[in-house]
Amino acid sequence: EAGVVQSPRYKIIEKKQPVAFWCNPISGHNTLYWYLQNLGQGPELLIRYENEEAVDDSQLPKDRFSAERLKGVDSTLKIQPAELGDSAVYLCASSLGSVAGATDTQYFGPGTRLTVL
Amino acid sequence: SQQGEEDPQALSIQEGENATMNCSYKTSINNLQWYRQNSGRGLVHLILIRSNEREKHSGRLRVTLDTSKKSSSLLITASRAADTASYFCATDQASGSRLTFGEGTQLTVNP
Repeated sequence: EAGVVQSPRYKIIEKKQPVAFWCNPISGHNTLYWYLQNLGQGPELLIRYENEEAVDDSQLPKDRFSAERLKGVDSTLKIQPAELGDSAVYLCASSLGSVAGATDTQYFGPGTRLTVL
Repeated sequence: SQQGEEDPQALSIQEGENATMNCSYKTSINNLQWYRQNSGRGLVHLILIRSNEREKHSGRLRVTLDTSKKSSSLLITASRAADTASYFCATDQASGSRLTFGEGTQLTVNP
């Protein structure tokens, strides 16, 4: 079974430029997550999708970040414009779906390491 | 904000020794999960323990949960060099369907 696929693996851009990350979750997984991970820290949730609906985006900085999950499968996370402080690893994860309000096992992709110069 | 706090932040042991990592949290949970992350890679799920469970085993892993103390521990027995990684606890808070990760413990197993 293929795991969660993310691209690109690495991205270097200058500040104020736009950037986009792509994620393909495990087939059949209804829930998709985007996390931000700073060096030496644990992942922090940016947004969670149940199928194509964003059900938890309270941590997403909406002035510059946007995300979409068309057709409830692949997802794209965009930053426009990027700032120096956005340098981090952006992780995508998927799971079968929340059961009775509890989260189940999440499967993570390898992440995209973003460097903003 | 990150609810889980791992202790210690870093741990260095010799191959064959046991490694114990602790996690404390603040609010009521549905479950607590442990993940491993090798350098430059994504996280890999290790084990999930529900709030009504006290202990769980998986291979060389043993997880305990004490909801009265709001703490959990992960024990890796007979460690191997390949166990070198960062280990994160993540809590599924009872108030919402979201995993909150701690800052992790960096484990180094020396051959």
